[in-house]
Amino acid sequence: EAGVAQSPRYKIIEKRQSVAFWCNPISGHATLYWYQQILGQGPKLLIQFQNNGVVDDSQLPKDRFSAERLKGVDSTLKIQPAKLEDSAVYLCASSILTSGSYEQYFGPGTRLTVT
Amino acid sequence: GNSVTQMEGPVTLSEEAFLTINCTYTATGYPSPFWYVQYPGEGLQLLLKATKADDKGSNKGFEATYRKETTSFHLEKGSVQVSDSAVYFCALSPNAGGTSYGKLTFGQGTILTVHP
Repeated sequence: EAGVAQSPRYKIIEKRQSVAFWCNPISGHATLYWYQQILGQGPKLLIQFQNNGVVDDSQLPKDRFSAERLKGVDSTLKIQPAKLEDSAVYLCASSILTSGSYEQYFGPGTRLTVT
Repeated sequence: GNSVTQMEGPVTLSEEAFLTINCTYTATGYPSPFWYVQYPGEGLQLLLKATKADDKGSNKGFEATYRKETTSFHLEKGSVQVSDSAVYFCALSPNAGGTSYGKLTFGQGTILTVHP
């Protein structure tokens, strides 16, 4: 079974530029998550989709971050314009309900450096 | 909202030593706790989980028991190996019911280094 795919793996941009990340979840997983992991911290949920609908985007900085999952499969996360503090690893995960809990499977992440 | 607190690291041990990484949480309802591991250069992987009180999750020699009375899910291993060197994250998910769909709240992570 193929895992969660993310691209690009690394990205370096200057502040005020825009950037987009792509995620393809495991086939059949209806729930998709984007997390931000700042160096030395645990991942923080940015947005969560159930199929193509947003379930939770309460921690997404909506003035600069946006995300979509138009056909309920792959997803893109965009930052425009980027700030220095956006430097982090952006993780995509997908999940399925198993034995009463949702087991999340993570992609390798995209490491963003904003200079 | 939910919060997760892990023991501060880093933790450095010799091979075959006993490992404990403490994890406590605050939450409402009946959450499910998890341990995730991140090996150097790799993504997050599920290590073990529990779904109800007093459940013991186990995998690769690691164990953790879900204690609702102390709101804890401490990770233990009787004899660590060099290959266990990684970052360990405790995480919490709301009950599977409702619209939470399993979103996770993570602790800050504990770096474990095991020397030969």
